[in-house]
Amino acid sequence: AQKVTQAQTEISVVEKEDVTLDCVYETRDTTYYLFWYKQPPSGELVFLIRRNSFDEQNEISGRYSWNFQKSTSSFNFTITASQVVDSAVYFCALSERNAGNNRKLIWGLGTSLAVNP
Amino acid sequence: DTGVSQDPRHKITKRGQNVTFRCDPISEHNRLYWYRQTLGQGPEFLTYFQNEAQLEKSRLLSDRFSAERPKGSFSTLEIQRTEQGDSAMYLCASSSDRVAYSGANVLTFGAGSRLTVL
Repeated sequence: AQKVTQAQTEISVVEKEDVTLDCVYETRDTTYYLFWYKQPPSGELVFLIRRNSFDEQNEISGRYSWNFQKSTSSFNFTITASQVVDSAVYFCALSERNAGNNRKLIWGLGTSLAVNP
Repeated sequence: DTGVSQDPRHKITKRGQNVTFRCDPISEHNRLYWYRQTLGQGPEFLTYFQNEAQLEKSRLLSDRFSAERPKGSFSTLEIQRTEQGDSAMYLCASSSDRVAYSGANVLTFGAGSRLTVL
């Protein structure tokens, strides 16, 4: 069965600290996609990144970086020099094999990040 | 295009009443999804449309729930005889299946419609 585990329920950091959000997944598929979404207090889920199972390159986008390791079934997300505006709930999600449909994302429970001034 | 729009943003109703939510997806997106989210949980898939065809419904979608997308553009989600357990955020998302579209198959979500059943 497919499953996404975000073991950290809540994280609180002080501004400018680096923070890593963990995501561990389970799937029997050899082809799958992983996602991170951000949900700020306004409620709207904002897409951050999609990674397919054949691309293990790490990615950096500004202060955000993602570390995908198939050997440990992990897709961790690091925010460098965190800012108050980063405060949100972050969700990791896994799609079924037929990512073309992307209709059944399996979601983790989310990690609530609070960045304090 | 201003993204995915949902209306109303908040709805408070009494148990037993019917409610309807509307979703306007991104205009060039042919796929539309409804999800439900309760506090402390990730979104739960409810149903999915490709153009006007409803291709999949979750077991979570009881007979009291119905969704339509009559012209392949906006969609409505109706809940009949609401129960307190229906209280949740109802999220709409859209995507495109066009390979050439750079953001293909990434879901763009609306801000959600929060339902409170008293």
